[in-house]
Amino acid sequence: QVQLVQSGPEVKKPGASVKVSCKASGYTFIGYHMHWVRQAPGQGLEWMGIINPSGGRADYAQKFQGRVTVTRDTSTSTVYMELSSLRSEDTAVYFCARDNSDGGSYWWFDPWGQGSLVTVSS
Amino acid sequence: SSELTQDPAVSVALGQTVRITCQGDSLRSHYAAWYQQKSGQAPVLVIYGKNSRPSGIPDRFSGSSSGNTASLTITGAQAEDEGDYYCNSRDSGGFRWVFGGGTKLTVL
Repeated sequence: QVQLVQSGPEVKKPGASVKVSCKASGYTFIGYHMHWVRQAPGQGLEWMGIINPSGGRADYAQKFQGRVTVTRDTSTSTVYMELSSLRSEDTAVYFCARDNSDGGSYWWFDPWGQGSLVTVSS
Repeated sequence: SSELTQDPAVSVALGQTVRITCQGDSLRSHYAAWYQQKSGQAPVLVIYGKNSRPSGIPDRFSGSSSGNTASLTITGAQAEDEGDYYCNSRDSGGFRWVFGGGTKLTVL
């Protein structure tokens, strides 16, 4: 079955960077884009960015431009999200989610990884 | 602020019908997808496209769209339907994605 398994929780100090992984299985890795979404405590979902695992091209939400980098390793079917210059407001659960599309007018995120908690604290 | 607007909270009596709405300009061009999220869990897709349900999602969940508004309807709400519901779609520029702020559903 299609599955996304993420890395474990992280605790980082302000100003540091964090790299979260998302390992895909059960489908052709390069055939589907992958999104990253985060959720701060008690808040809603926030889209961060997307990568095309085939060519490696990534696109990011304007809010995170310059601070986030999404990469992939096709040999291990793993996508990575690195967020730099961390601040307390970056404390959140980070999810990866596979992109699906009809090729035209609709897209959906399915499945989702289990989430990775990143805590930023001095 | 989100480009997709949802009511923060909605309640429904057990067994009754509830509609959760999502408004945004991008919905004139793109369908919304809907996700259910229970406390401490990852979101789960419940509706996508015009009105498609993934396998395993009960048929009491349905979706519709008109103009700049997408709707998720639960016909005969059950206690297990409690949770947060999020819509998502492309943004108004069509290049990126956005989520609505979420609607907390309470089943009374």
